[in-house]
Amino acid sequence: SQQGEEDPQALSIQEGENATMNCSYKTSINNLQWYRQNSGRGLVHLILIRSNEREKHSGRLRVTLDTSKKSSSLLITASRAADTASYFCAPINTDKLIFGTGTRLQVFP
Amino acid sequence: DGGITQSPKYLFRKEGQNVTLSCEQNLNHDAMYWYRQDPGQGLRLIYYSQIVNDFQKGDIAEGYSVSREKKESFPLTVTSAQKNPTAFYLCASSMMAGYQPQHFGDGTRLSIL
Repeated sequence: SQQGEEDPQALSIQEGENATMNCSYKTSINNLQWYRQNSGRGLVHLILIRSNEREKHSGRLRVTLDTSKKSSSLLITASRAADTASYFCAPINTDKLIFGTGTRLQVFP
Repeated sequence: DGGITQSPKYLFRKEGQNVTLSCEQNLNHDAMYWYRQDPGQGLRLIYYSQIVNDFQKGDIAEGYSVSREKKESFPLTVTSAQKNPTAFYLCASSMMAGYQPQHFGDGTRLSIL
């Protein structure tokens, strides 16, 4: 199993700005997933990108994957105060997800 | 609505006491998971189950026990052997173990009296 490492640990932006979070991992993967966690709540699955995909979009979310660099990024465009949450990546090559410590995003109105 | 229900939302444990956290899902998922989250930290896997009557230890199984007698239910017991049980516990499920997205409950916060 392996763990994703998110960067930065914390990010503060104004509403309307874009937020970019990065994830690095160490070994080969089958897919990589991104999750969001609002304070005191469970995680919510955002998007899954397979190892043979380079980019995926879902609404205001854009995820990229570079398997040669063993990295992924999550871009949230036109951020809103409701996007304030922690974001986790989970690279997967076995039967378990291993989460990193996440990026805490604060979006100010 | 389909989903995962964890109960109770808050739980207090006395020293030397075992407590059981409930997790029920009506998503018809085969796989279920228990995670522990400490403040400002990521999730650590305690136990997971891919099918009924079978489960595997995760990274921090010591002091915990589980059962999977029904597909819908995966209760977690925090035993007195777990010396630092104060944490936020999250249950999740997925269609199959491994590559599928996981659906999470809203957690149980366990504290020591």
